[in-house]
Amino acid sequence: ILNVEQSPQSLHVQEGDSTNFTCSFPSSNFYALHWYRWETAKSPEALFVMTLNGDEKKKGRISATLNTKEGYSYLYIKGSQPEDSATYLCAFLNDYKLSFGAGTTVTVRA
Amino acid sequence: DAGVTQSPTHLIKTRGQHVTLRCSPISGHKSVSWYQQVLGQGPQFIFQYYEKEERGRGNFPDRFSARQFPNYSSELNVNALLLGDSALYLCASSMGQGQNIQYFGAGTRLSVL
Repeated sequence: ILNVEQSPQSLHVQEGDSTNFTCSFPSSNFYALHWYRWETAKSPEALFVMTLNGDEKKKGRISATLNTKEGYSYLYIKGSQPEDSATYLCAFLNDYKLSFGAGTTVTVRA
Repeated sequence: DAGVTQSPTHLIKTRGQHVTLRCSPISGHKSVSWYQQVLGQGPQFIFQYYEKEERGRGNFPDRFSARQFPNYSSELNVNALLLGDSALYLCASSMGQGQNIQYFGAGTRLSVL
């Protein structure tokens, strides 16, 4: 069982503020790191698949960075909006298996 | 195009019973993975099937089994249900294995009484 940790477990953000949170994963045998957004009553939605050390990916106001040598990834939300409220999951790919963290639940207050 | 579809959406069973959950992948996707998600935890990997063969298995007892059909749809079977099997079961499909993005269905909520 691979240890994928996400912190914090939850956070509250004021609308318009920016925020970020962390995913840590084993630094050995790295293959890929996935980020998903999971809104209540919906399916998890893929945000990014990151494979290279130093990778930085962006989708609208959301971006992510990757450090495979130290085993962490940051996800950033710029200018948070109420529609960004969701649980953000990271998942470490190893041997065709995705090992998920428990997620960071973001609540954006208007 | 239809996304990943799972059936049923909700299911109530009693201990000792058997359950079959179904998943239809996105058209053209050849890989299907199954996950179990309990409250407060991330999804836990159960199985991956690619081209109708099991390619990966998580840390679940033999009561859990699955298969993939020629049309790439999949079934997850759980025998001798326990209270602890109550969870949301998610299916995800992808074009291939490895780095491919996985597209998730809405899940089947299983309650074991």
